Amino acid sequence: AQSVTQLGSHVSVSEGALVLLRCNYSSSVPPYLFWYVQYPNQGLQLLLKYTTGATLVKGINGFEAEFKKSETSFHLTKPSAHMSDAAEYFCAVSANSGYSTLTFGKGTMLLVSP
Amino acid sequence: GAGVSQSPSNKVTEKGKDVELRCDPISGHTALYWYRQSLGQGLEFLIYFQGNSAPDKSGLPSDRFSAERTGGSVSTLTIQRTQQEDSAVYLCASSLVQGAQGYGYTFGSGTRLTVV
Repeated sequence: AQSVTQLGSHVSVSEGALVLLRCNYSSSVPPYLFWYVQYPNQGLQLLLKYTTGATLVKGINGFEAEFKKSETSFHLTKPSAHMSDAAEYFCAVSANSGYSTLTFGKGTMLLVSP
Repeated sequence: GAGVSQSPSNKVTEKGKDVELRCDPISGHTALYWYRQSLGQGLEFLIYFQGNSAPDKSGLPSDRFSAERTGGSVSTLTIQRTQQEDSAVYLCASSLVQGAQGYGYTFGSGTRLTVV
């Protein structure tokens, strides 16, 4: 079984500041990890994913995340926030073998101020 | 189609009525998933289809909820005798392979259901 914890239901940053959204997971088997973004009244869009190999993964819109097995974390970062980054972000986990659906965290709303 | 299509985008219904929500996945995607998104609750898994069969329906909250998929394509989620707690956004997603290992899902824009 898998679970995801996203610390902070809301994160506020200023435009140009570092964005850090935290995600910790629990999984009994090696995981696949995902970050999705949801803009208002839209579905979820895949930002990036970790499957195997390099633990630092780069996604769209300048976001990246690092898989840290020892910390069971997959935090999302972006060096400089843009107003257009304001949205809700979801971390998700699935098992890397056999049948497994995606299990999502409760989401973090990113607020960007001028 | 180019993306996952859901209809209607919004549905307001009276308590006790039945509703049907439709999902048209990406052509060729064999796996289809329904999730429910409630305010502050994240995404709650409802049911998964592989082709026309549903090997995992463990997330359906009660026997008022059912879903089917025909022709390995369109899926319909039916909620009978709707209750106010059924109000949520219902999201459909599809993926190329079973379980989406490593592929992630492609989501539709959702159906916002309001029960009054």
